[in-house]
Amino acid sequence: EVQLVESGGGLVQPGRSMKLSCAASGFTFNNYDMAWVCQAPKKGLEWVATISYDGSSTYYRDSVKGRFTISRDNAKSTLYLQMDSLRSEDTATYYCARHEGLGGGLDYWGQGVMVTVSS
Amino acid sequence: DIQMTQSPSVLSASVGDRVTLSCKASQNINKNLDWYQQKLGEAPKLLIYFTNNLQTGIPSRFSGSGSGTDYTLTISSLQPEDVATYFCFQYNSGWTFGGGTKLELK
Repeated sequence: EVQLVESGGGLVQPGRSMKLSCAASGFTFNNYDMAWVCQAPKKGLEWVATISYDGSSTYYRDSVKGRFTISRDNAKSTLYLQMDSLRSEDTATYYCARHEGLGGGLDYWGQGVMVTVSS
Repeated sequence: DIQMTQSPSVLSASVGDRVTLSCKASQNINKNLDWYQQKLGEAPKLLIYFTNNLQTGIPSRFSGSGSGTDYTLTISSLQPEDVATYFCFQYNSGWTFGGGTKLELK
């Protein structure tokens, strides 16, 4: 059974950093591109970042470029999102998700982790 | 960047109704589109991939169609458990979600 379990969320002050993790199991992690998706309270879904199966390529939405870094450790089957210079508008639930095929849609999702940016 | 526009934003329907949700892309996305269902307080769940392919375990009352810039999700006979918000998602060029359609019971 495919499982994605996020951790590392919580309350953080504006301008500070936070690192999210997503532990994957039930599939061959290093065969799949992975993504982070966020959802602000009572809002829609927004794609945040994608990393290729081998970590060689990364892609970001414009609003997080230069502040967020997606990475992965295939030996540990874990995906990460390093979030720096956090802003109040980054407040959201963050989901990790598996891409179906290379850069395709998102076929499995974690349960999400809440990040609140506030002083 | 490709923009995805869903309509309507809110849809009220009765149990047993045939329901159609729309998603329009700002340019041709070559059927590279998925549909997701998100119930209150839950993570999104994949319903339909590559426009018209039913994900394993999803009831057959859900179906998808479309091409070019225009796509639809149809529920043939609405059930109470279908109350949710539905999102389309394109992956033809970059990755973009639609704004969602909230489906309510009348």
